[in-house]
Amino acid sequence: AQRVTQPEKLLSVFKGAPVELKCNYSYSGSPELFWYVQYSRQRLQLLLRHISRESIKGFTADLNKGETSFHLKKPFAQEEDSAMYYCALRGSGAGSYQLTFGKGTKLSVIP
Amino acid sequence: KAGVTQTPRYLIKTRGQQVTLSCSPISGHRSVSWYQQTPGQGLQFLFEYFSETQRNKGNFPGRFSGRQFSNSRSEMNVSTLELGDSALYLCASSRTLTGADTQYFGPGTRLTVL
Repeated sequence: AQRVTQPEKLLSVFKGAPVELKCNYSYSGSPELFWYVQYSRQRLQLLLRHISRESIKGFTADLNKGETSFHLKKPFAQEEDSAMYYCALRGSGAGSYQLTFGKGTKLSVIP
Repeated sequence: KAGVTQTPRYLIKTRGQQVTLSCSPISGHRSVSWYQQTPGQGLQFLFEYFSETQRNKGNFPGRFSGRQFSNSRSEMNVSTLELGDSALYLCASSRTLTGADTQYFGPGTRLTVL
């Protein structure tokens, strides 16, 4: 079974402070990991995926297979980063391509 | 190009009724997935369709069903509604069925069961 855990429901940081949103997963094969973001009154959208190893809006995430983690980081938080962040896992075998989501972390950036 | 659209956006039903929700994927996308989002359970996978065939199903009772048409549009149906079915139902589309493709989400249909 695949599972995604986001231990923090709410994370508050001051503008300009570093941000780290934690994500741990459980999956027996080689998963694909994603971070999705939902801004207020907007639809859920992809922020980044581990396979592309890119930085989006200053956010990065590294897949650590040893620790089964995929934490999202940003060195300097901005007010516009305030949103719900969801970590998601997609399996690698047929019949397991659905996204399994964590329960989400609400990031609040204090001006 | 136009994003994923879902209709209706809001729906109020009473217990015991049935409901049908519709999802139009991005043009060219052939895979449609459905998710239920609730405050308690978060986002949970319902099912996925590709080329008019259900390819994967989540852990939901048989009251939840769906289908996909030849133009890739999809509908999901919930019969004998229960209070616990109140949720935001999201649909997502992708070009293919493989894990490499990005899923694009619609705005959701907010279902309230009274």
